[in-house]
Amino acid sequence: GAVVSQHPSWVICKSGTSVKIECRSLDFQATTMFWYRQFPKQSLMLMATSNEGSKATYEQGVEKDKFLINHASLTLSTLTVTSAHPEDSSFYICSAAKGGFPRGNTIYFGEGSWLTVV
Amino acid sequence: DQQVKQNSPSLSVQEGRISILNCDYTNSMFDYFLWYKKYPAEGPTFLISISSIKDKNEDGRFTVFLNKSAKHLSLHIVPSQPGDSAVYFCAASARENSNTGKLIFGQGTTLQVKP
Repeated sequence: GAVVSQHPSWVICKSGTSVKIECRSLDFQATTMFWYRQFPKQSLMLMATSNEGSKATYEQGVEKDKFLINHASLTLSTLTVTSAHPEDSSFYICSAAKGGFPRGNTIYFGEGSWLTVV
Repeated sequence: DQQVKQNSPSLSVQEGRISILNCDYTNSMFDYFLWYKKYPAEGPTFLISISSIKDKNEDGRFTVFLNKSAKHLSLHIVPSQPGDSAVYFCAASARENSNTGKLIFGQGTTLQVKP
């Protein structure tokens, strides 16, 4: 298999501050990574597709300036929630695509990060 | 607009019996479907998939059935084991996104297998 690690697992921040979540592929290079968020009892909602060396592709309704995504290397993508507010409190999870044609069974997920904004 | 729906939030099954998890979708452009399993504090892990050119795919105790006309798929686990207790996510991929890895997920169904 392949390992994707996410950090931090839990984070509490004050309203108005920014918080960064890291997603690393530990044993493979990931040209493409994905960021999802999940509200309680709802599905994993794709926020953006992160491509190494280029700008992220955001899904409709996701604020680019609020959720900054940087995919600086083939093993690391970061999600920064800027000027966080309580409504940003959610479960954020990343995944990384292994291989050239990632059709789901070659996509590996991180453990997820719980963000609480107080 | 929920394109992939898992209408049962939870399911409880006795050990040894069959578990059937259901998933419905609305987008006719979906041509690849997957099931993921998620334990608490862990990320989802791939379980089994099926292409739209098939109606059944089997892997050990896990079988996925696809009914394209009804836009419905199901995951059968036989026999169910306590270690199968987890959240199961149905996901779909559209033909246009076959090289991007973009997946649309359902809400998940929590399966509890009782000893």
